[in-house]
Amino acid sequence: GAVVSQHPSWVICKSGTSVKIECRSLDFQATTMFWYRQFPKQSLMLMATSNEGSKATYEQGVEKDKFLINHASLTLSTLTVTSAHPEDSSFYICSATRQPSTDTQYFGPGTRLTVL
Amino acid sequence: SQQGEEDPQALSIQEGENATMNCSYKTSINNLQWYRQNSGRGLVHLILIRSNEREKHSGRLRVTLDTSKKSSSLLITASRAADTASYFCATDASRGAQKLVFGQGTRLTINP
Repeated sequence: GAVVSQHPSWVICKSGTSVKIECRSLDFQATTMFWYRQFPKQSLMLMATSNEGSKATYEQGVEKDKFLINHASLTLSTLTVTSAHPEDSSFYICSATRQPSTDTQYFGPGTRLTVL
Repeated sequence: SQQGEEDPQALSIQEGENATMNCSYKTSINNLQWYRQNSGRGLVHLILIRSNEREKHSGRLRVTLDTSKKSSSLLITASRAADTASYFCATDASRGAQKLVFGQGTRLTINP
């Protein structure tokens, strides 16, 4: 298999607080991990690409100081939404690729963030 | 920017019927993939078709790719209620980058 987990599955926080979301590849070592956000009834928008031990590459328009990504190991990447505001409320999904076939991304179940 | 456009945006059919969804894209690709997403859940990879392939099958799924028209279709045969979900096509953004660009998706409802 190629199982990716996310924690928490949902979180509600107050405006101004920071929230950390974890993405783990459970049964493989992920060469690359990706973070997406998805608004209701819309498609996925890539936020950033991260490789273990190096800085994440952010997509245009994504604030790197607001969405901190840490990829400390081959099985764990974290996304921290700093000073969250209601407009950050969204569904955040991570994915991972593995060797030898890196064309396919394996997705986590997503994290629903609600900022009050 | 999103390069995939999917058609229709929503599709409702009776169980047992076939469902066809289309995807168009704008730039050259290495491959095109289809994913399924159940409401409020992550994505499940269905099938990948490479740019040098024209058709691919997996169980009840049939995918075609026409690179001259920059379009792809996903056919689900003998649909089941469990097929109710949103279906997205995704193309690789550029060679070697592994980044995927997703279409807007088709919301498929199978009525029992």
